[in-house]
Amino acid sequence: QVQLVQSGSELKKPGASVKVSCKASGYTFTSYAMNWVRQAPGQGLEWMGWINTNTGNPTYAQGFTGRFVFSLDTSVSTAYLQISSLKAEDTAVYYCARAETTWTTVTTLGVKESDYWGQGTLVTVSS
Amino acid sequence: DIQLTQSPSFLSASVGDRVTITCRASQGISSYLAWYQQKPGKAPKLLIYAASTLQSGVPSRFSGSGSGTEFTLTISSLQPEDFATYYCQQLNSYSFGGGTKVEIK
Repeated sequence: QVQLVQSGSELKKPGASVKVSCKASGYTFTSYAMNWVRQAPGQGLEWMGWINTNTGNPTYAQGFTGRFVFSLDTSVSTAYLQISSLKAEDTAVYYCARAETTWTTVTTLGVKESDYWGQGTLVTVSS
Repeated sequence: DIQLTQSPSFLSASVGDRVTITCRASQGISSYLAWYQQKPGKAPKLLIYAASTLQSGVPSRFSGSGSGTEFTLTISSLQPEDFATYYCQQLNSYSFGGGTKVEIK
């Protein structure tokens, strides 16, 4: 069965970095893209972007450029989210979520709805 | 960017009630809309995609409709396990609606 298992909770100081992992199993890792979604405490869902697991090409949503990096290790079917220069407002649960890719135009590849989600990783930034 | 507005943001209902949640897009998105259910402390779960297609394993009391800028999620007879927060997501630029929390009356 499809599973996305994320790494455990993290407590970091402002200015530090964190790397969240998302290990996939039960399907061919490179056949689906990986989305990343943020949920601040008591707030709604915020799409951060996605990574093409075939090419490693990331796409970042507005507000998630610069300090946020998506990466892969296809040899272990794992996607990563790294956040640098952490701020208090980065405190949130971060989810990975699998999605099929789709051609949205003749030249633009996008993603469909997220059908499987990881359990979430709480990142707390506090001095 | 496309904005999604969900209404209501909070809904109080009883078991057996018919519940309808609306999601309005700031511009037309055809049928590129999904609905998710999230329970406290859990990851979201896909309910509906392509505006009206029920995800495998989701009970048939859930249904979705709409296209263009106005969409609805309907629960025909609310069950105890349906008390949760519901989100829509548009698949053009991927933003989510603000959520609708369904609580027990």
